[in-house]
Amino acid sequence: SQQGEEDPQALSIQEGENATMNCSYKTSINNLQWYRQNSGRGLVHLILIRSNEREKHSGRLRVTLDTSKKSSSLLITASRAADTASYFCATGNQFYFGTGTSLTVIP
Amino acid sequence: GAGVSQSPRYKVAKRGQDVALRCDPISGHVSLFWYQQALGQGPEFLTYFQNEAQLDKSGLPSDRFFAERPEGSVSTLKIQRTQQEDSAVYLCASSPVRGFNYGYTFGSGTRLTVV
Repeated sequence: SQQGEEDPQALSIQEGENATMNCSYKTSINNLQWYRQNSGRGLVHLILIRSNEREKHSGRLRVTLDTSKKSSSLLITASRAADTASYFCATGNQFYFGTGTSLTVIP
Repeated sequence: GAGVSQSPRYKVAKRGQDVALRCDPISGHVSLFWYQQALGQGPEFLTYFQNEAQLDKSGLPSDRFFAERPEGSVSTLKIQRTQQEDSAVYLCASSPVRGFNYGYTFGSGTRLTVV
């Protein structure tokens, strides 16, 4: 039932580097959202991109959406140790989540 | 309140026991969602309320699971005759608008362990 699928499953980078994670989905959408989850905590909403938008920025976050390929990417620039978390995309009328990308930023 | 509050934070239940998990959404939020998250997985949708109306319960895994939101604010997820496969984190989220086109605020979840 999970419609969004993130890749890679895990990503490890040095502090200061950029992190890119991708999300693919199966059916048409109204919007796509990205969330962050720190270990043992609830999810935190990062950004929402609507189906008629191609790119959106929020601070160090950049999200792109390609509805023809049914895919989205999340770019975190100048990563920090505090960005270490799991990142999920969510799509669809029932707000399906993928299995997430586990990001580790090494200080 | 300032955020979505869930209680208890942790619950250990013996197999066969009934449990009740509580969610206090942000005051005035129309939409309320329950999700189940197994270890290492993404959240799985369980059910959706718009005010007191349960508009979608298609994600509830069995008839042992029941959710209610009688006054359109606090919600309770009840699991009867718990099984080991029910062990998971149960997340509640709320939103100020109807439907699925807005960012949600999640609680920290209730970790249920069935022994």
